[in-house]
Amino acid sequence: SQQGEEDPQALSIQEGENATMNCSYKTSINNLQWYRQNSGRGLVHLILIRSNEREKHSGRLRVTLDTSKKSSSLLITASRAADTASYFCATVYNAGNMLTFGGGTRLMVKP
Amino acid sequence: DTGVSQNPRHKITKRGQNVTFRCDPISEHNRLYWYRQTLGQGPEFLTYFQNEAQLEKSRLLSDRFSAERPKGSFSTLEIQRTEQGDSAMYLCASSLAIRGETQYFGPGTRLLVL
Repeated sequence: SQQGEEDPQALSIQEGENATMNCSYKTSINNLQWYRQNSGRGLVHLILIRSNEREKHSGRLRVTLDTSKKSSSLLITASRAADTASYFCATVYNAGNMLTFGGGTRLMVKP
Repeated sequence: DTGVSQNPRHKITKRGQNVTFRCDPISEHNRLYWYRQTLGQGPEFLTYFQNEAQLEKSRLLSDRFSAERPKGSFSTLEIQRTEQGDSAMYLCASSLAIRGETQYFGPGTRLLVL
């Protein structure tokens, strides 16, 4: 079973708009990571936020983590058509660092 | 190309046949993970190795599944007596065994069992 749930499951926006995706999880974590997957391909790591961090930035990406609410959000600013993909959050809660993924948000950015 | 590679990229087989997939991790990475992803879902953890030792196996990994990493480099995942429910994308990832490390994923092997 998957620990996390992403919200929304699908999101359609216009190029230039911001996209916000949310992730909720169930157990205490070591860190939370966001990945992108283009249709039918492998996953690309976007950003990692540790359990003792609250916010992290990388280029147009901003990730927040609220461990009290067991939730995270990914914000993509000034979206581009090339951002069209599925976005997954994944949590790590053990020493083996196995990733537990959510169901993903399918983002479509219309040019 | 210094990324994670997987072969074959696609496999079509008939129910009951055995299939084997290979993963070549990034050369200096000592951890190697296998995940399975069905259509419209997030990946699910199957098993992982640190060097040649298989340290964890998911309950998803039935006795028809076996994984090896004999020399601590490449890994193979074999599925015996395939079933239609085994149809999925099989993803391999590698990483360094340090706290909070990033896993780097290969392109996956898409399996279709007829």
